[in-house]
Amino acid sequence: NAGVMQNPRHLVRRRGQEARLRCSPMKGHSHVYWYRQLPEEGLKFMVYLQKENIIDESGMPKERFSAEFPKEGPSILRIQQVVRGDSAAYFCASSPGSFGGEAFFGQGTRLTVV
Amino acid sequence: GNSVTQMEGPVTLSEEAFLTINCTYTATGYPSLFWYVQYPGEGLQLLLKATKADDKGSNKGFEATYRKETTSFHLEKGSVQVSDSAVYFCALRDRTGTASKLTFGTGTRLQVTL
Repeated sequence: NAGVMQNPRHLVRRRGQEARLRCSPMKGHSHVYWYRQLPEEGLKFMVYLQKENIIDESGMPKERFSAEFPKEGPSILRIQQVVRGDSAAYFCASSPGSFGGEAFFGQGTRLTVV
Repeated sequence: GNSVTQMEGPVTLSEEAFLTINCTYTATGYPSLFWYVQYPGEGLQLLLKATKADDKGSNKGFEATYRKETTSFHLEKGSVQVSDSAVYFCALRDRTGTASKLTFGTGTRLQVTL
């Protein structure tokens, strides 16, 4: 059973470009979470999704950021018109949906905006 | 809302020393509690968990006991190794809701020296 798969592992974008980060949850997991980690800092919650639904987006910036988890395919975190401050590691986690259960994390995508 | 408070790092210990990393939480419900570990350049790995009061989670020599009366989940290890150098995150997930995110502490960096 493969773990949570994130790609790409490293992504370089110029200011103003779009970044698309992908996350394939573990098999059988229907809940996906996205977190952002700035260098030497903790994890900041961004968004929590179930299949085709956004459950909690309280940590998402109001502009330029969006997330989806379609019925088929991976979850996508999309950042439009990237700025240098978007440079960070973005982690995806998945869980089977049973409340109180642990989440399993991917290796992360390290976004660098130049 | 839910929150997790961890002791600030970095924590620097000599090999074979005793480790304690303090973690306290605030939750509106009755959460499950977790410790995750992040090695350099990697994602988070679940280290141990506890789902109810007085439960003790343990793994790889690490232990933590769910203390409801003190709302704490301190991480301990009797004898640390250089390979334990990493960042440790305490987290909770509410068990009373049908859909809830993991809430993390800010992380505590542990450095073990020879």
